[in-house]
Amino acid sequence: SYVLTQPPSVSVAPGKMARITCGGNNVGGKSVHWYRQKPGQAPVLVIHYDSDRPSGIPERFSGSNSGNTATLTISRVEAGDEADYYCQVWDSSSDHYVFGSGTKVTVL
Amino acid sequence: EVQLVESGGGLVKPGGSLRLSCVASGFTFSTAWMSWVRQAPGKGLEWIGRIKSKSDLGTADYPAPVKGRFSISRDDSKNTLYLQMNSLKTEDTAVYYCTTGMVAFGFWGHGTMVTVSP
Repeated sequence: SYVLTQPPSVSVAPGKMARITCGGNNVGGKSVHWYRQKPGQAPVLVIHYDSDRPSGIPERFSGSNSGNTATLTISRVEAGDEADYYCQVWDSSSDHYVFGSGTKVTVL
Repeated sequence: EVQLVESGGGLVKPGGSLRLSCVASGFTFSTAWMSWVRQAPGKGLEWIGRIKSKSDLGTADYPAPVKGRFSISRDDSKNTLYLQMNSLKTEDTAVYYCTTGMVAFGFWGHGTMVTVSP
């Protein structure tokens, strides 16, 4: 089955940029979606189709996807961005959905 | 406003059964593809099944860990999604979320906790 690999944690100072990677075999050939989950809350879609922001998501959130790595970038990080972030794809070969293992973003 | 409200969680013994419900509002439920996603305590998100809209044949699909034990159904007249869970195992302990989307999950419920314990 298809596997997505994320770093367990990323630390970033306020006002700086955070980059969260999502690795997978030829993931650039798939559409990658990103979710933010704060403690005790349901996930929220922050980027879909690699780089599109749903309504209400700040422009500070952006995404890219090429080759074997997709990346979620958070610019000008704020304390409120501290959360777990998950990447996700739909695997057409199995018609199943796959989540990455998640990355905890800590704002220093 | 889109709302998804899960219910039916609780404590059940290993080998037991439980049925979760998810009532939807704020969108056209009958045309939506619906999924269940779970999250074990302190762990990541795991997709556990999807049901397509009836216009797309209404078929359900499941990953290996739950296939043959879990079953998803829908009642479009009640805007309600169901998850029937049988032969429950301790490793099924998790928060179960109802969510909607064909390739990405745009809306999520608040989740309902299922605890499988002797």
